[in-house]
Amino acid sequence: EVQLVESGGGLVQAGGSLRLSCTVSGSTFSDYWMNWVRQAPGKGLEWVANIKQDGSEKYYVDSVKGRFTISRDNAKNSLYLQMNSLRAEDTAVYYCARGCGGGCSWGIFFDSWGQGTLVTVSS
Amino acid sequence: DIQMTQSPSSLSASVGDRVTITCRASQSVNIYLNWYQQKPGKAPNLLIYAASSLQSGVPSRFSGSGSGTDFTLTISSLQPEDFATYYCQQSYSTPALTFGGGTKVEI
Repeated sequence: EVQLVESGGGLVQAGGSLRLSCTVSGSTFSDYWMNWVRQAPGKGLEWVANIKQDGSEKYYVDSVKGRFTISRDNAKNSLYLQMNSLRAEDTAVYYCARGCGGGCSWGIFFDSWGQGTLVTVSS
Repeated sequence: DIQMTQSPSSLSASVGDRVTITCRASQSVNIYLNWYQQKPGKAPNLLIYAASSLQSGVPSRFSGSGSGTDFTLTISSLQPEDFATYYCQQSYSTPALTFGGGTKVEI
């Protein structure tokens, strides 16, 4: 069974930084695209960023470009999200989600999720 | 960016009802459309991928259909554990991905 465990959330002031981590077990981590998806309180889901299996490609939603950096360490089965210049609108539960493996025939969808970690940005 | 619009945003139903949720894309996404269920305080759970393929372990009362811009998620006979919020997600513009706004299914 695949397990994803996020950590690193907390309360931070606007303009501050935070680093989220996600550790994956029960799966060959290096075979899959990995993603961060967030959900603001009482709101819907928003894809934030993803990273290719070997880390060679990274993509971001426009609202976080230049502020957030996604990375991975395949030797440690771990995914990261470095969040800088945080804003009140970044307040959300952040989920780590496994994407597709191999050639991604149907594009990236999320077949396994962590429990989420809450990031609260105070203004 | 591809925008995804779900309707209705919420609905009331009873156990045993047939429920249909609609998702519309701002441009064709072929069949690159996926559905998730989310219960309060929990992470989402993948139900359907590629418009109509049932994810392993998901009950057969869930089904998906559609192609191009219009898609539906159908629950053939609503069960108590199905009261939740449902989201569609397009994967056509991979790696940039978007979700619909969600449909809350209530008693």
